[in-house]
Amino acid sequence: DAGITQSPRHKVTETGTPVTLRCHQTENHRYMYWYRQDPGHGLRLIHYSYGVKDTDKGEVSDGYSVSRSKTEDFLLTLESATSSQTSVYFCAISDPSGGTDTQYFGPGTRLTVL
Amino acid sequence: EDQVTQSPEALRLQEGESSSLNCSYTVSGLRGLFWYRQDPGKGPEFLFTLYSAGEEKEKERLKATLTKKESFLHITAPKPEDSATYLCAAQLSGTYKYIFGTGTRLKVLA
Repeated sequence: DAGITQSPRHKVTETGTPVTLRCHQTENHRYMYWYRQDPGHGLRLIHYSYGVKDTDKGEVSDGYSVSRSKTEDFLLTLESATSSQTSVYFCAISDPSGGTDTQYFGPGTRLTVL
Repeated sequence: EDQVTQSPEALRLQEGESSSLNCSYTVSGLRGLFWYRQDPGKGPEFLFTLYSAGEEKEKERLKATLTKKESFLHITAPKPEDSATYLCAAQLSGTYKYIFGTGTRLKVLA
């Protein structure tokens, strides 16, 4: 299994509070991604990173920010959580220099915003 | 608009009853087509990557195929442990963006 961990695994918070989710990898992969998964929707890309301090927006980036100060860590921040951000969040990594664009996923974080 | 559609949404099979899952895609350009398996409460697990029309990949009871408009995941003589949600994703050419389908929930009955 790819060495990807996410923390916390579960979180319950209140509307308006800031929340930070962490993704940590031990594979030294260049690309890291944050997705959310909701019933009736496929996995939707929030933000991705193609290197330290290099990030770009995905299709559902509003209300989210990211940071990557080290190769192994990619943080997702909800500045002021809303109930619409209740979801399961997945981190993924890929390493195109290895000849494949395959993404490998972490175990997920279940976030509930009350 | 780039789109990936999977069908059926749900499928119930008897053990040993072979079937196919469909993933149709409409994208501006396809770099690769990916299949994943997802068990409840877990992250997607990689199964296959297909890059060219006509390409096929196999792993145990699963075989993935690709045409210019769709991909199929064939399941031969499934077992209860094959029960899961199967996701497909299209990587847009020239990008590191992936469009996922909503998945097919497969239940294999003993």
